[in-house]
Amino acid sequence: RKEVEQDPGPFNVPEGATVAFNCTYSNSASQSFFWYRQDCRKEPKLLMSVYSSGNEDGRFTAQLNRASQYISLLIRDSKLSDSATYLCVVKAYSSASKIIFGSGTRLSIRP
Amino acid sequence: EAQVTQNPRYLITVTGKKLTVTCSQNMNHEYMSWYRQDPGLGLRQIYYSMNVEVTDKGDVPEGYKVSRKEKRNFPLILESPSPNQTSLYFCASGRDSRTEAFFGQGTRLTVV
Repeated sequence: RKEVEQDPGPFNVPEGATVAFNCTYSNSASQSFFWYRQDCRKEPKLLMSVYSSGNEDGRFTAQLNRASQYISLLIRDSKLSDSATYLCVVKAYSSASKIIFGSGTRLSIRP
Repeated sequence: EAQVTQNPRYLITVTGKKLTVTCSQNMNHEYMSWYRQDPGLGLRQIYYSMNVEVTDKGDVPEGYKVSRKEKRNFPLILESPSPNQTSLYFCASGRDSRTEAFFGQGTRLTVV
């Protein structure tokens, strides 16, 4: 089983829709969580950190469920420019600086 | 401008010919790391460095070397490249290992 798993998609949704995807992790010692966005052939860029109490940044909401060991990303009122691959990142401090990336979820927003 | 700079951006080389991919950051970050990205496998960590002269293996270190003689530079060395090292490589840096990482633009390496 992979340490961090994401549904690869692709998710193909119309502009204006709300879309959500999850990321599950297996290491219960994981302590930091992030969502990155990666455009085709470009470098990953931080979208948002994920805090225990959940956090929102404009149209984006991230949540953490430690009991079930998953994080989620919700995008409201999706825009064409949201089309990208979304990577979840999990960091576990119990094993030095192990940083695990999910394989990414592809999102395509259609007009 | 705060950035992580990798060079070269594209490289085609032959099996066995030693090469170095450079990585430099201007943010005074202590933490730096190298990843490779392959279709279906996502980003996998090759090596990381917590500070000058401190390096450690990530998940896929075989066939790679790194050094961290100065804080700003973290070169990736392939002593004898092989075709299975054909990949997209990213260097990243962060204030520390717990915070977000800033990525370079990537180096697309092809080994023939």
